[in-house]
Amino acid sequence: DGGITQSPKYLFRKEGQNVTLSCEQNLNHDAMYWYRQDPGQGLRLIYYSQIVNDFQKGDIAEGYSVSREKKESFPLTVTSAQKNPTAFYLCASSIPFRDRGGQPQHFGDGTRLSIL
Amino acid sequence: QKEVEQNSGPLSVPEGAIASLNCTYSDRVSQSFFWYRQYSGKSPELIMSIYSNGDKEDGRFTAQLNKASQYVSLLIRDSQPSDSATYLCAVTRGNFNKFYFGSGTKLNVKP
Repeated sequence: DGGITQSPKYLFRKEGQNVTLSCEQNLNHDAMYWYRQDPGQGLRLIYYSQIVNDFQKGDIAEGYSVSREKKESFPLTVTSAQKNPTAFYLCASSIPFRDRGGQPQHFGDGTRLSIL
Repeated sequence: QKEVEQNSGPLSVPEGAIASLNCTYSDRVSQSFFWYRQYSGKSPELIMSIYSNGDKEDGRFTAQLNKASQYVSLLIRDSQPSDSATYLCAVTRGNFNKFYFGSGTKLNVKP
């Protein structure tokens, strides 16, 4: 079955530590996204990528970094510069608008990050 | 002004009633509209997509789009307790691949 796999489901970060969240998709989607969701809040866009080796900052990129070396993978690193990283992180993918006009995003199951 | 606005709720309806969820968006060139359901602690799942003015029905769900008034709504007929969740409205426009999400409306269906 095609889908988006996020790992790990739960992650704990120590002070001063960088941690990396994995996101892999086998939907053959060009576009991939990372969102942050705080309790009781909506989704906030961290980074997105429309094609391999290219990505753009979203609304809250500070303290985060990404890479897009392969079409199916879009890992997110939460750096020590992100002082309040505790949140639910969601990865999503979609077919770009140019290809099939306004296709929806599909989400992984998420990673819950907490500070130790 | 937010790109997409939703009433945060909670919206409480009795079992079997119609639940009506509303969403407004700010950019007139928005072209694609989506409703997602998110259960507590889970990721959003797509319920409906709508691209043109009018109604689109899928089972107990009906999405309504009015581009002139810049709103999109979701009707849930014969509401069930299992429909209790937060419903997110999302909008995209043009060649941009960004999705703009509302903050969601929490729906409670009481048995």
